[in-house]
Amino acid sequence: AQKVTQAQTEISVVEKEDVTLDCVYETRDTTYYLFWYKQPPSGELVFLIRRNSFDEQNEISGRYSWNFQKSTSSFNFTITASQVVDSAVYFCALSEAGRDDKIIFGKGTRLHILP
Amino acid sequence: DGGITQSPKYLFRKEGQNVTLSCEQNLNHDAMYWYRQDPGQGLRLIYYSQIVNDFQKGDIAEGYSVSREKKESFPLTVTSAQKNPTAFYLCASSGGTGTDTQYFGPGTRLTVL
Repeated sequence: AQKVTQAQTEISVVEKEDVTLDCVYETRDTTYYLFWYKQPPSGELVFLIRRNSFDEQNEISGRYSWNFQKSTSSFNFTITASQVVDSAVYFCALSEAGRDDKIIFGKGTRLHILP
Repeated sequence: DGGITQSPKYLFRKEGQNVTLSCEQNLNHDAMYWYRQDPGQGLRLIYYSQIVNDFQKGDIAEGYSVSREKKESFPLTVTSAQKNPTAFYLCASSGGTGTDTQYFGPGTRLTVL
């Protein structure tokens, strides 16, 4: 069965610190997709990244980076030099190709960036 | 601007009343989804539709109903049969398959008085 675990319920860091949000997933499929979304206080989920299971190359986008490791079934998200605007709830999600057309979301990590 | 709109942003309902939440998209997406989010919880899938005039139950469909008469619209009705309807409701759309990126609307916060 597919499952996404975000063990960190809530994290607080001081502005400009780096922070890593953990995501561990379970799947029996060889073809799957992983996602990260940001939910700011306004409530709308903002898409950040989509990564397929055959592409283990790490990704960097500005202050954001993602570390995908199939060996540990993890897809961690790092924010470098955090800013107050990064305060939000972050969701990791998993979708298996050809199965039910669903995305399974983790429970989210609430990130507080303190000024 | 292309995107997904949900209305209203806040909705109050008396117990025993049905209420319909609107979701419209102009992204020309085939698939649309409804999720429920409770405080401190992730998203749970209520219903989804991959094509006009067809939809499937998600994980928590009881007490809800949907229709998909137009590609751009996917309204959700919260019926009086839903035992605990107070929640944040999010609508999303995607290109068509479950592995496509889903894009979300701003959400509707429903409160039952």
